[in-house]
Amino acid sequence: QKEVEQDPGPLSVPEGAIVSLNCTYSNSAFQYFMWYRQYSRKGPELLMYSYSSGNKEDGRFTAQVDKSSKYISLFIRDSQPSDSATYLCAGSNYKLTFGKGTLLTVNP
Amino acid sequence: NAGVTQTPKFQVLKTGQSMTLQCAQDMNHEYMSWYRQDPGMGLRLIHYSVGAGITDQGEVPNGYNVSRSTTEDFPLRLLSAAPSQTSVYFCASSYSEREWYTGELFFGEGSRLTVL
Repeated sequence: QKEVEQDPGPLSVPEGAIVSLNCTYSNSAFQYFMWYRQYSRKGPELLMYSYSSGNKEDGRFTAQVDKSSKYISLFIRDSQPSDSATYLCAGSNYKLTFGKGTLLTVNP
Repeated sequence: NAGVTQTPKFQVLKTGQSMTLQCAQDMNHEYMSWYRQDPGMGLRLIHYSVGAGITDQGEVPNGYNVSRSTTEDFPLRLLSAAPSQTSVYFCASSYSEREWYTGELFFGEGSRLTVL
């Protein structure tokens, strides 16, 4: 079993929808959890990282960590066509372990 | 401020050839790393460096060599290319150990390598 599991999608939503992206992990040693956005033919860019269980908000993005169920989520409110990208989750216990990524398309 | 610069952006090799992927950063970052990204596999760490003169292996180091003679540069060498090394390679840097831990990495735009 891969340490970080992520449904690759693809996921297609209309503009303005709330998007929910999810990952599960198996490594209890992970201390930090991250979400990255990767546009086509570009490198990943960090959206946000979390340390503890709970929610962390940054504008239209909310990251949620539930350590008891080993579940991490990213919610995107009022999704825009510019949010169309691949979203990568990751866990860290010094080295990062990435999920496979979910391809999201937001249709105008 | 260029950030992380990777060259070349595209490369085609024949099996057995060797080559070097270049990575340079101008942010005075302590940590540098190389990842490969394959469909259905996600990003996997190849090698990383915590400072000039210090390197260590990641998850998939076989077939690759690295060195870090300066803070700015972290080249990745393919010793004898194999079709299994066809991939997109990303170089990433972080300011210090704390940012390495928290995933605050700056990625280059990638080098797309095909081995025939």
